[in-house]
Amino acid sequence: ILNVEQSPQSLHVQEGDSTNFTCSFPSSNFYALHWYRWETAKSPEALFVMTLNGDEKKKGRISATLNTKEGYSYLYIKGSQPEDSATYLCASNSGGSNYKLTFGKGTLLTVNP
Amino acid sequence: GAGVSQTPSNKVTEKGKYVELRCDPISGHTALYWYRQSLGQGPEFLIYFQGTGAADDSGLPNDRFFAVRPEGSVSTLKIQRTERGDSAVYLCASSIQGLPNTGELFFGEGSRLTVL
Repeated sequence: ILNVEQSPQSLHVQEGDSTNFTCSFPSSNFYALHWYRWETAKSPEALFVMTLNGDEKKKGRISATLNTKEGYSYLYIKGSQPEDSATYLCASNSGGSNYKLTFGKGTLLTVNP
Repeated sequence: GAGVSQTPSNKVTEKGKYVELRCDPISGHTALYWYRQSLGQGPEFLIYFQGTGAADDSGLPNDRFFAVRPEGSVSTLKIQRTERGDSAVYLCASSIQGLPNTGELFFGEGSRLTVL
């Protein structure tokens, strides 16, 4: 059974704080690791798709790292803003399927002004 | 529009009724996916289309669920004899390439189904 685990489940931070979340996934038959941001009443939006061990990607104040050997990825947000409030989902298509994504339950981030 | 469009955005129905959910993907995207997010869970894979054919329908929970994509563009997810456990947000996504798919998925806003 393929399990993608995310922690923490929810997180409250103050505006300006930096924060990070964890995603763990099975490392066997790995193809790619996806991060999505899902704001309320909107569609999930891709942040990063990473495929190589050691990958580091950055988009503005958000960055992510990937360790495929041990099966984890970190998402970092520097200087959180209220507009960063959303559910952050990670998903992996490891485990023999190179198109079917298995999602974690997400981390709900609330940034207080 | 430029993005993935899903209709209806909200659907309330009674147990036992038939429901259709529609997805209009981004033009030119050959791969189309349906996912379902139940309360407290992450999105769960239902079915994947490559063009007109269902390449993988292994995520459909039972034979009450069926999906089509007759012309390789718009897809319809059909649920017969709805049950309260079918209540969820149904997400559609499309992508430029199918196999191997390491590219991002473009999601619609989802159709929230409530079965009373």
